[in-house]
Parts: sequence; C-alpha cells; structure tokens
Amino acid sequence: DARVTQTPRHKVTEMGQEVTMRCQPILGHNTVFWYRQTMMQGLELLAYFRNRAPLDDSGMPKDRFSAEMPDATLATLKIQPSEPRDSAVYFCASGPAGAQETQYFGPGTRLLVL
Amino acid sequence: GQSLEQPSEVTAVEGAIVQINCTYQTSGFYGLSWYQQHDGGAPTFLSYNALDGLEETGRFSSFLSRSDSYGYLLLQELQMKDSASYFCAVRAAPSGYALNFGKGTSLLVTP
Repeated sequence: DARVTQTPRHKVTEMGQEVTMRCQPILGHNTVFWYRQTMMQGLELLAYFRNRAPLDDSGMPKDRFSAEMPDATLATLKIQPSEPRDSAVYFCASGPAGAQETQYFGPGTRLLVL
Repeated sequence: GQSLEQPSEVTAVEGAIVQINCTYQTSGFYGLSWYQQHDGGAPTFLSYNALDGLEETGRFSSFLSRSDSYGYLLLQELQMKDSASYFCAVRAAPSGYALNFGKGTSLLVTP
C-alpha cells in the first residue's frame, strides 16, 4: 500500500534552532506539496514541486523557510531560524501526473518551537 | 484572490443525512475537491467535481454548480466514524496544480 512518509513525526525545539523535515512521496508521483496546518489559519500551501522543479513557494516566509527536492524520492522543508509562531503541523502531499485534484497526504510533522 | 466559505460546525444523528456546503470565489476555476480529516490524522481525498452535477461514491456524494460558485458534500447513512473535519478545496489558476483549502467543517455524529 503506497504511502507518503514523513520524518520526524514529532519535533520539539527551541527558538533559533534549525528544523529539517523530510518527505518521501509515493513512487511515480510527479507533484509534491508542502502544507502547514494551524487552528487559526487552517491548511496553507507553502510550496510545491512538479517533476522536482519548484513551481510556487509564494506561501513560504522566504527569509527563514526553504524547500528543496534533491531527488525524486526526497523532499525537504527547512526552517532556519525557527520561531514559536512556526509551531504547527507540516504536511507533505504528493500527486500523480494527470490527476492534479487528488493529493495523498503524509502523516505530518508536529512541530513545537519553544 | 481566492476565498472559500463553509460552515465551521455541523452536528447530525447517526443514520441521518447531512449536507456540507461550500461557496468559493476564484478565477480560472478547474474544480472542487473534498477531503476528510480525523483528529490527529492527515487529510484524505474524498471526491472531485470539475463539471456541474452530482458525483456519487458510496455513502458520499458531491455536487458542483460552476455558475453559482457553489458545491456541497452529502453524507448519507451517517456513522459514528464519519465524525471528522471536512474541507472543500479549489484547484484554480494561476497555480493549476495546488489546492486552496477552506477552513473546514467539523462534523459531529451523535448516537
């Protein structure tokens, strides 16, 4: 049963520290998305890739967030330096070519910045 | 910009039918998706409408009216396990690939 995997599942860190979240999309999917979910803002799109190329990262705070896809099996989201307001659940999702409306979400990384 | 409106909470009785509405404002509309999310879980895809009309998948159906910028998710024969949050999401230009999610509707199914 193909699934999107994310690591770590939980992360507690102190303000100012670097945080790296990893995602393995479903094999064969060509689009990868990063979302952030909070009670106040709901699900927000941070960035997405198609065929490993970044298409849109307008949802990300550019000064501290970066997203990369070094190969087809790995997507990363980094926060440096982290701030308490970054506390949220970060979801990675992948989608198959030709079915853009269907996204498969990973279990999420629950980040708490103290 | 884009905006989506859906009720924040809905309560219904087990075995009943419930409809969750979603209205949207966007340009370059491609289609409307629905996702389910249980507490502590990840969103999971339920349905997608690109054309006007009703799409049925088991107990769940989804409807779209492009002219009214309106859609709904219909859940029949409600079960306790249907208690979850339901999100409508618009796939629209200019991104085309990404989804813009509504704030979600929390559905509580009571005995």
